[in-house]
Amino acid sequence: AQRVTQPEKLLSVFKGAPVELKCNYSYSGSPELFWYVQYSRQRLQLLLRHISRESIKGFTADLNKGETSFHLKKPFAQEEDSAMYYCALRTYGQNFVFGPGTRLSVLP
Amino acid sequence: DVKVTQSSRYLVKRTGEKVFLECVQDMDHENMFWYRQDPGLGLRLIYFSYDVKMKEKGDIPEGYSVSREKKERFSLILESASTNQTSMYLCASSYTLTSRDEQFFGPGTRLTVL
Repeated sequence: AQRVTQPEKLLSVFKGAPVELKCNYSYSGSPELFWYVQYSRQRLQLLLRHISRESIKGFTADLNKGETSFHLKKPFAQEEDSAMYYCALRTYGQNFVFGPGTRLSVLP
Repeated sequence: DVKVTQSSRYLVKRTGEKVFLECVQDMDHENMFWYRQDPGLGLRLIYFSYDVKMKEKGDIPEGYSVSREKKERFSLILESASTNQTSMYLCASSYTLTSRDEQFFGPGTRLTVL
């Protein structure tokens, strides 16, 4: 069965420190992974997708099929990065399976 | 700019009431989705629709039904609300094309069932 896990419910880092939000998945097909972000009082929105291999707001994520992981990384965290982050796996059609989310808190 | 709107930001209902949550999108998206968002559980798919009058069950459809009579509108119905349906409900929409598969979310409706 398809599943997405995010082991950390809450991650706190200081401003300027590196940050890594972990995501692991289980899926028998060819995986397509995404990161969605929800800032305070804003709607959930796409941050990045693995297929684009892009860097958005300084964040990158590499799909590691061997470890079935798609960790989100940023070398220097900013206070405005504080938000709820969801890893998502696209299954059949346009359906997504979302992880439980990690709340990132960047401390001044 | 894609706009997904939900009829209410906050809703308080009593156990046993019939509840309607409305979602409207203005970008001619084929696909529409209803999720509930709970702390520690993330987003769980309730129902989705790939076309007008089409509906498919998601992971947690029990206690819910949906209606899609027009392409832009997707309604979630709680036939008889119960306290365990207290949650944040998110609507989303997307294109069918794989290359444009991003889901666009509404602001959410926080439903409290007393």
